[in-house]
Amino acid sequence: AQSVSQHNHHVILSEAASLELGCNYSYGGTVNLFWYVQYPGQHLQLLLKYFSGDPLVKGIKGFEAEFIKSKFSFNLRKPSVQWSDTAEYFCAVNGVFSGGYQKVTFGTGTKLQVIP
Amino acid sequence: GAVVSQHPSRVICKSGTSVKIECRSLDFQATTMFWYRQFPKQSLMLMATSNEGSKATYEQGVEKDKFLINHASLTLSTLTVTSAHPEDSSFYICSAPWAGGETQYFGPGTRLLVL
Repeated sequence: AQSVSQHNHHVILSEAASLELGCNYSYGGTVNLFWYVQYPGQHLQLLLKYFSGDPLVKGIKGFEAEFIKSKFSFNLRKPSVQWSDTAEYFCAVNGVFSGGYQKVTFGTGTKLQVIP
Repeated sequence: GAVVSQHPSRVICKSGTSVKIECRSLDFQATTMFWYRQFPKQSLMLMATSNEGSKATYEQGVEKDKFLINHASLTLSTLTVTSAHPEDSSFYICSAPWAGGETQYFGPGTRLLVL
């Protein structure tokens, strides 16, 4: 079975502060890793993804995430947050099972509130 | 980018009635679509995988007779909540994979309230 855990449920930051949201997963096979963002009143949008290659991936709006295989982690970072980054962030794992079946598992989400 | 729509966005129904939710991929074809349920302050829970031309694959603990899924075409999947009860009230989200199946595009969700 695969699982995803996000350590922070609610984060409050002032504008220009640095952000790091933790994400750990468990799955023994091939995985693709994602961060999704859900702005208030909007649907889920892809922020960034990791399939293979450089473990440091850059996404939209200045976000980046680092895949550390030995730690089963895929933490999201942004050097300087803005008020417009206020949203809920979901880490997700897409495990590839035998027969090509893929299953996406989401973390519980982290609500980020940025104070102007 | 790829767009996935859902209809209706909100529905209120009486206990015992059935509700159908549609999920459409607007500018691409999707042989597979996924249905999720999101409880307040909780994560998205995968309910089932909808497969065009064959039966849906349900996750453990999800009643297939309660949540009927039909993947009628390459751009449409429907989820019917049969004999809805108040505990079925939730936010239902569909997604469709694109670009080789690695990226999911999500619909805006359907808020179901069963009175």
